[in-house]
Amino acid sequence: DVKVTQSSRYLVKRTGEKVFLECVQDMDHENMFWYRQDPGLGLRLIYFSYDVKMKEKGDIPEGYSVSREKKERFSLILESASTNQTSMYLCASKPPGQHNNEQFFGPGTRLTVL
Amino acid sequence: DQQVKQNSPSLSVQEGRISILNCDYTNSMFDYFLWYKKYPAEGPTFLISISSIKDKNEDGRFTVFLNKSAKHLSLHIVPSQPGDSAVYFCAASLTGANSKLTFGKGITLSVRP
Repeated sequence: DVKVTQSSRYLVKRTGEKVFLECVQDMDHENMFWYRQDPGLGLRLIYFSYDVKMKEKGDIPEGYSVSREKKERFSLILESASTNQTSMYLCASKPPGQHNNEQFFGPGTRLTVL
Repeated sequence: DQQVKQNSPSLSVQEGRISILNCDYTNSMFDYFLWYKKYPAEGPTFLISISSIKDKNEDGRFTVFLNKSAKHLSLHIVPSQPGDSAVYFCAASLTGANSKLTFGKGITLSVRP
């Protein structure tokens, strides 16, 4: 079974703090993704990576950065957290050659910024 | 510009009846369509997909229909069960576009016992 884990299920931070969200997958997947889910807005892609040290902006990258130093780990960084970044953050990964582009998701991190 | 649209935010059906969840898209180049199911406080889980060269795919109680001319797909759940109550996301992908998925906003399905 593919396993995608996220470092925290719930996180509370203060405005201006630097926040790290960690994601690890154990199936040697090349592609990894970070989304946020907000009511009425669905899943929106923040950043993705198709190889170590490679990253691409998604649809809403502003206020975020990412790091992929190892194939199994993809980190999302909020440089200076703001209240509008309160959201559910979801990490996903995808193996190469997956014909339907199915992604495997982690359990999510509910981040609250006060 | 929203390329994948789920225009109904919610649907309520009686247990045992059919649930029909709809999804529209604008990009005729999409070549795969996927449905994901999400419970609160959990990540989405893959349900079923369909290639753009097919018009129907079935897996147990779940069937997805694709109408390319109308740029419309639907997920049928028969019979609906209370455990099906969740948020359902429609997604579409383009082969080669770094495997990104474009998601709709989701629809909340409630199945009444």
